[in-house]
Amino acid sequence: GAVVSQHPSWVICKSGTSVKIECRSLDFQATTMFWYRQFPKQSLMLMATSNEGSKATYEQGVEKDKFLINHASLTLSTLTVTSAHPEDSSFYICSARTSINNEQFFGPGTRLTVL
Amino acid sequence: AQTVTQSQPEMSVQEAETVTLSCTYDTSESDYYLFWYKQPPSRQMILVIRQEAYKQQNATENRFSVNFQKAAKSFSLKISDSQLGDAAMYFCAYRSEYNFNKFYFGSGTKLNVKP
Repeated sequence: GAVVSQHPSWVICKSGTSVKIECRSLDFQATTMFWYRQFPKQSLMLMATSNEGSKATYEQGVEKDKFLINHASLTLSTLTVTSAHPEDSSFYICSARTSINNEQFFGPGTRLTVL
Repeated sequence: AQTVTQSQPEMSVQEAETVTLSCTYDTSESDYYLFWYKQPPSRQMILVIRQEAYKQQNATENRFSVNFQKAAKSFSLKISDSQLGDAAMYFCAYRSEYNFNKFYFGSGTKLNVKP
């Protein structure tokens, strides 16, 4: 299947700082990318959907000013956690959908720890 | 909204034996897709098997097969000849045919494989 990468795989930051997570589709173009959050031993919760060149659509309860999403190209989407706090510590997973057959592929995830 | 329910938080199986993971869902739509994803300790989501709702034939991928009962809204996963590498979290997921942006995940089942 197609490959989706995330960088970094693990990040530790101080409270109040911002962290950027990159999501790339390596061998296909993704018109739509998704960001999920996963707490320990829980399922994936969709945070937002982003389409290349347009504003992201956020799920209810997700603060768009805190979780900034940019989908600048067909192969790259970024999630910036602004003014991070310990409660933002979580596992963030991106997913990219190919327009060829609408198949959706997941990245390996990024573990964020806010001290 | 669609909901996906996995009633077994954790299951165990002896190596080489067969195990079935349960999944039920609720929807008013007639066309949709169902998936089983595997999430090993690495946290990478791996597609195990998918089923289109319009297909009556149950999907099969090597040792993995599903029992899709559309009327009962049930979608169980059978793993035959279980291997140690099958140990992981398994998530059942629903995706609408009418809105590809929405993936609904179950809460997951942790599968332990005993040697």
